[in-house]
Amino acid sequence: GIQVEQSPPDLILQEGANSTLRCNFSDSVNNLQWFHQNPWGQLINLFYIPSGTKQNGRLSATTVATERYSLLYISSSQTTDSGVYFCAAENSGNTPLVFGKGTRLSVIA
Amino acid sequence: NAGVTQTPKFQVLKTGQSMTLQCAQDMNHNSMYWYRQDPGMGLRLIYYSASEGTTDKGEVPNGYNVSRLNKREFSLRLESAAPSQTSVYFCASSRDRVEQYFGPGTRLTVT
Repeated sequence: GIQVEQSPPDLILQEGANSTLRCNFSDSVNNLQWFHQNPWGQLINLFYIPSGTKQNGRLSATTVATERYSLLYISSSQTTDSGVYFCAAENSGNTPLVFGKGTRLSVIA
Repeated sequence: NAGVTQTPKFQVLKTGQSMTLQCAQDMNHNSMYWYRQDPGMGLRLIYYSASEGTTDKGEVPNGYNVSRLNKREFSLRLESAAPSQTSVYFCASSRDRVEQYFGPGTRLTVT
């Protein structure tokens, strides 16, 4: 099945800094999603982005399907951005999303 | 509109006991999923239901059974709990395999 790798595994930022999280996947995808798990454990869907670029406030995501990677950009980070960011990918209609192991982000005031 | 709800929030079981985790969604989604999350392992799919009346195994189905009771409800059963099943369990749903929406999770400890 498809392999999903995220980098870096851990990231510490000063409040106000920008960051880029990367997701590499091993096969073509028809479904690529980014999630945020807050420190209380709740998982929130950020983007459904199998290709192209999307923006939502300070967050944006780009998937380059032909090169098998996706990037999540966080600008002007805030302490509320802390948590774990997961990328998940699916490469056929028969196999549901496979999750990466996540990037743990800590934003310090 | 409650989204995805799960019960219970916490549970402690003794080895060999059985229990059922309940999940319901009010978004009229076709697909529903059960995941477990262990430290450092990300989320791993246990079972999923692409539509009412169908269920399929995921990556880690051993020791679990599921029932898609109707379009809204998808339950996960542990017939004989083992300490290796100590984990946080998440239910999720999606419309036709696009954005997935997660419930708040159930923290299960098996002693």
